[in-house]
Amino acid sequence: DQQVKQNSPSLSVQEGRISILNCDYTNSMFDYFLWYKKYPAEGPTFLISISSIKDKNEDGRFTVFLNKSAKHLSLHIVPSQPGDSAVYFCAARADDYKLSFGAGTTVTVRA
Amino acid sequence: EAGVAQSPRYKIIEKRQSVAFWCNPISGHATLYWYQQILGQGPKLLIQFQNNGVVDDSQLPKDRFSAERLKGVDSTLKIQPAKLEDSAVYLCASVTSPAADTQYFGPGTRLTVL
Repeated sequence: DQQVKQNSPSLSVQEGRISILNCDYTNSMFDYFLWYKKYPAEGPTFLISISSIKDKNEDGRFTVFLNKSAKHLSLHIVPSQPGDSAVYFCAARADDYKLSFGAGTTVTVRA
Repeated sequence: EAGVAQSPRYKIIEKRQSVAFWCNPISGHATLYWYQQILGQGPKLLIQFQNNGVVDDSQLPKDRFSAERLKGVDSTLKIQPAKLEDSAVYLCASVTSPAADTQYFGPGTRLTVL
């Protein structure tokens, strides 16, 4: 069963504008959430994370928001740059530390 | 610091053939994972090692898949015999311990089964 869902397979955004990627989860035991970025022919690389005790974490142009009551998190990229074009995976883990991944969202930043 | 190394990067085989993948984790990382990523899906955990012991192989199709990490460093994943549905990218990841903030992934091996 898919415990982490990214319902938007793709997102196209103009350079300089905001990209918003969404992720929903079903397992209430998840307490740590991560976003990974993946370029073609490379492995996923860690981007940003958030613990369930927080509702926001910011790192430069990247901000992750967590809404525990809605079991929803989002990644904001502001401003979007051409180098941000990649596949973004949402992942979550419980106290067993095993990661469950969403299917990914392909972001294309248009010049 | 060198990253996670994997080889080969690409492999094409016919169904019912055998194939093996190799992973060398980041030095000092005791925990090693193998994931299967089918096109259009997120990575799915196949097996987790802690040093040279298996922690979790509940998602590994043991009738055809096997993995080992004999000396607690590098690891091999084998498929014998391969099926068409095994076509995927096989990712290796490592971490100092399971509770670490993030896993570090290798570039993956893209397997095509014809």
